Amino acid sequence: DIQMTQSPSSLSASVGDGVTITCRASQDIRNDVGWYQQTPGKAPKRLIYAASRLQTGVPSRFSASGSGTEFTLTISSLQPEDFATYYCLQQNSYPLTFGGGTKVEIK
Amino acid sequence: EVQLVESGGGLVQPGGSLRLSCAGAGFIFSSYSMNWVRQAPGRGLEWVSYISSSGATRYYADSVKGRFTISRDNAKNSLYLQMNIVRAEDTAVYYCVRDEEFYDILTGYNYAMDVWGQGTTVTVSS
Repeated sequence: DIQMTQSPSSLSASVGDGVTITCRASQDIRNDVGWYQQTPGKAPKRLIYAASRLQTGVPSRFSASGSGTEFTLTISSLQPEDFATYYCLQQNSYPLTFGGGTKVEIK
Repeated sequence: EVQLVESGGGLVQPGGSLRLSCAGAGFIFSSYSMNWVRQAPGRGLEWVSYISSSGATRYYADSVKGRFTISRDNAKNSLYLQMNIVRAEDTAVYYCVRDEEFYDILTGYNYAMDVWGQGTTVTVSS
């Protein structure tokens, strides 16, 4: 099974800050990674697919990159609505696996 | 509007059974493969099961293999998860999630989960 190691597990930042979240895969998964945002009590929402493609309607302050085993999600300037938990997901092979999540909190 | 609506959650005793349903609307349900993903209280996301658009191919997480069965009825635009021999660790919010097919010039046709339902809560307790 492919393991997705996500870091950090949490971070504190201020509105306007830039943040980067990383996921490392235990083996080469090409660009078969998506990033999801989840706010409390809500279903996850897709931000990114195919490692770097921005979901329609998602603000351009979100960007992502990576291929092979290392992937990053960057939020260039945090807005109040961005304080949430973020997950990466590999869809290269079954069983599909999520990263452990990164909780972005207000400093 | 593309929509997925889960139902069927509730309280079930350990060892019991439950059937979850997911109704799709606003898209051609029969053209999409589907997944179930769950989230235990205070925990992260865990993929549970996958079914292809025709229903011919199915995959399961090891944690549910042999106990859960995924199925679909394309005529009813519906996805199901039959949960048998449930355990306390199956307590979670269960989400129905659509797989979007897309083309990448380097890797060809791929799938990525896009639309999520609002979830249905399953509690396993005596």
